[in-house]
Amino acid sequence: DQQVKQNSPSLSVQEGRISILNCDYTNSMFDYFLWYKKYPAEGPTFLISISSIKDKNEDGRFTVFLNKSAKHLSLHIVPSQPGDSAVYFCAAQIEGGGSEKLVFGKGTKLTVNP
Amino acid sequence: GAGVSQSPRYKVAKRGQDVALRCDPISGHVSLFWYQQALGQGPEFLTYFQNEAQLDKSGLPSDRFFAERPEGSVSTLKIQRTQQEDSAVYLCASWRGLYQETQYFGPGTRLLVL
Repeated sequence: DQQVKQNSPSLSVQEGRISILNCDYTNSMFDYFLWYKKYPAEGPTFLISISSIKDKNEDGRFTVFLNKSAKHLSLHIVPSQPGDSAVYFCAAQIEGGGSEKLVFGKGTKLTVNP
Repeated sequence: GAGVSQSPRYKVAKRGQDVALRCDPISGHVSLFWYQQALGQGPEFLTYFQNEAQLDKSGLPSDRFFAERPEGSVSTLKIQRTQQEDSAVYLCASWRGLYQETQYFGPGTRLLVL
């Protein structure tokens, strides 16, 4: 039973255009959401996060949108650069739930073509 | 240290062998997590420590898996009598323990059981 779903295994985008990565979740108890980026043979690297009390968080080229009613979040990268090519994981957390564990989606492989 | 380190980076084991995977978290981080990432999947939670106390081990797949953090810093994940389905990347993450702060991941140990 996957609580965090990334339904697109891969996405290909031209350099300079917008990349939109999507994530859905089923557990309404999740109240903190994170995006991690992963290069081969490396651990996941934190990219950006959003609390459930917000609907948008922006950091440079990266913006995360949260739609709680739809249990959906998305990561926008504008403009996309070849160095953004990596696997992106969406993760969710229940703060104060006693474990603080992250629940991850399966990831979306982004390829940005020069 | 500057980041989370894990050793060994790669481990090949014969089925039935015992293995021990080490994690050195960021200095001063009270919380430590172990995740398992199978090929093509997102990381899945195994267990969580706060200092030396193992507060959640609900993700450990069987009693062959055992984790410890005796002095509240370095942690070891031990897998006894390894099976082929144990082949995966084992990720360690450390966390300062403050809400809405990220977990920092190590590079992982890639375990292959033949």
